Amino acid sequence: DTAVSQTPKYLVTQMGNDKSIKCEQNLGHDTMYWYKQDSKKFLKIMFSYNNKELIINETVPNRFSPKSPDKAHLNLHINSLELGDSAVYFCASSQLAGPQETQYFGPGTRLLVL
Amino acid sequence: AQSVAQPEDQVNVAEGNPLTVKCTYSVSGNPYLFWYVQYPNRGLQFLLKYITGDNLVKGSYGFEAEFNKSQTSFHLKKPSALVSDSALYFCAVRDGRDYGQNFVFGPGTRLSVLP
Repeated sequence: DTAVSQTPKYLVTQMGNDKSIKCEQNLGHDTMYWYKQDSKKFLKIMFSYNNKELIINETVPNRFSPKSPDKAHLNLHINSLELGDSAVYFCASSQLAGPQETQYFGPGTRLLVL
Repeated sequence: AQSVAQPEDQVNVAEGNPLTVKCTYSVSGNPYLFWYVQYPNRGLQFLLKYITGDNLVKGSYGFEAEFNKSQTSFHLKKPSALVSDSALYFCAVRDGRDYGQNFVFGPGTRLSVLP
C-alpha cells in the first residue's frame, strides 16, 4: 500500500494553462507539505499544512495555491503556468509539525511546461 | 536561518569499500539532522535522523551517521558499499526551537558505487 501518493505522475502542458496535482496520505498524519525540486535536484519547501491549516508559506508566486479538503489530502493548484514552473513536485507528510518529525515523501509529479 | 552544505557533488567508491557522504550545517538552536536517499525517478526515502542522545545514529540499509557538534557535521557512513547504494543523498536540518519550521535540504551528493 502506498503511504503518500500523488497524481498524476507526469504532467505535460502548455504555458498559460491551469493544472492541479493531487496528494493523498494514508498514514494518519496531521501535517502535509509540498516541495519543488528543480533541474539541479535542489529541493525547496513551498507549503506546509497542519490539520488543514496553512503553517508555512515560503516565497512562492501566488499562482500556486494549496488546497486541503481534509487531513489526508493536500492538492496543489497552479494557475497560468510558466516555463520556469517545470520541475518535480513532491508531496510529503509527517505525524505532527514538530521539528523532530520525519517526513515521508510521495513519488513526485514531473511537470513539464512547453 | 539554517543552512546545509554537502561539499561533494559526486562521490565514487568501489563496491565493498567504506563510504562517507559529508554534511555540515548551520542552525541557531538545536540541530535536528536527517538523511534521505533518492533513487532515480523516485521520491525521497528516510534513512536516519539525529534528534538527541548518542552521537552515532544507525539507520536503514546499514547506514549510520555521526553527529559532531564541534565540527557542525553529520556525515553519512556505511562500512561496505553496495552497487545498489548508488543514488542521490540529501542531508537536511531543522531548528529544534522552531515549531513549524521546515527542512532545509542540502544540494545533494550523488553516490556511485562501482562494481
